[in-house]
Amino acid sequence: QKEVEQNSGPLSVPEGAIASLNCTYSDRVSQSFFWYRQYSGKSPELIMSIYSNGDKEDGRFTAQLNKASQYVSLLIRDSQPSDSATYLCAVNKIGGTSYGKLTFGQGTILTVHP
Amino acid sequence: KAGVTQTPRYLIKTRGQQVTLSCSPISGHRSVSWYQQTPGQGLQFLFEYFSETQRNKGNFPGRFSGRQFSNSRSEMNVSTLELGDSALYLCASSGGTGTGNTIYFGEGSWLTVV
Repeated sequence: QKEVEQNSGPLSVPEGAIASLNCTYSDRVSQSFFWYRQYSGKSPELIMSIYSNGDKEDGRFTAQLNKASQYVSLLIRDSQPSDSATYLCAVNKIGGTSYGKLTFGQGTILTVHP
Repeated sequence: KAGVTQTPRYLIKTRGQQVTLSCSPISGHRSVSWYQQTPGQGLQFLFEYFSETQRNKGNFPGRFSGRQFSNSRSEMNVSTLELGDSALYLCASSGGTGTGNTIYFGEGSWLTVV
């Protein structure tokens, strides 16, 4: 089992729709969770971070964390063509030898078509 | 506030050569970590430095090494380059302690080994 798994893509949604990206992780010790967006040929850009169970909203983006189910998701409302990118889920464990180490999922390619 | 700065951005090396990449973290950040991104393997953790000490290391051969200076700037070195070392090398900067520790990436260094 991979440490971090994302829903298989690619995901295609029409402009204005809600895009739902999902991620599961295997290590219950994980404490910090991140969503990065990566455009082709560019570096990952931090979109959302979440540390506590529940929802966290930032503009059109909502991150949801459920530690009991070891599940984190990202919702993008009113999707725009400019949201088309690869979305990376990353998990960080705090303490011991795990500081600063992000474990990434394989990424989900999102395409928003006009 | 300046972001994470990586140099050089692009470079081409020949097999057997060595390369040194540099990273300046966000001002005040004491943790610098390095990642390798390839199409086949995705984003993989190389190592992390905090206050000039390597705190964590990924599963890469000894040809990959790094260091951090007292001003938190970091360098990574790859010796005896192989074709498979062609990748995007990313540096990430963070405060380095505790939950809520956001991690930001630089623009990356594109290495091509020929």
